[in-house]
Amino acid sequence: EAQVTQNPRYLITVTGKKLTVTCSQNMNHEYMSWYRQDPGLGLRQIYYSMNVEVTDKGDVPEGYKVSRKEKRNFPLILESPSPNQTSLYFCASSPHPGQVIAFFGQGTRLTVV
Amino acid sequence: ILNVEQSPQSLHVQEGDSTNFTCSFPSSNFYALHWYRWETAKSPEALFVMTLNGDEKKKGRISATLNTKEGYSYLYIKGSQPEDSATYLCASVIKAAGNKLTFGGGTRVLVKP
Repeated sequence: EAQVTQNPRYLITVTGKKLTVTCSQNMNHEYMSWYRQDPGLGLRQIYYSMNVEVTDKGDVPEGYKVSRKEKRNFPLILESPSPNQTSLYFCASSPHPGQVIAFFGQGTRLTVV
Repeated sequence: ILNVEQSPQSLHVQEGDSTNFTCSFPSSNFYALHWYRWETAKSPEALFVMTLNGDEKKKGRISATLNTKEGYSYLYIKGSQPEDSATYLCASVIKAAGNKLTFGGGTRVLVKP
């Protein structure tokens, strides 16, 4: 089954404690991206990757890092989480960006206290 | 950052009634317009990707139209059913580096039995 898998689904952590949210897709897609969803603001792109070892900033990259060492995986790293990073996070993938549909993971709800 | 707006923010519909709502987006450098359906605790699911002015797409009781010259798209739900209750997201793509999706804030639809 074609899917994008995120882990964990829910996470509560403390300020400053490094964490990683994993994202994996099994469709051999080149393009992957991370979004955060906050009430009233829609989905905002954090980082995207056009292919292995190619990543770039989206609209709200501050406080986040990503890596793309393999095509299927695109982890999101919060080196020193802060309460303003409390949000719902989605990973997405598509064969290439723009004119084809994107497949989304089920989301990770992160709370930073 | 593109300004993609959806209206209304929320909508209550009686079962069996038809409804529609709007996505407005900047028309310059238009590349594509996406519609997604998002149920709470699930992944956003693609409905349509539209690229040409005048495009009309249909999936069951849901259809969409696109006007790229004036920068708007309508989503229609015919004969609403309780299972249509969800948040409907649109995303605009412009011809630019990354071809990223810029999402509107969504229209939350609640269908009352």
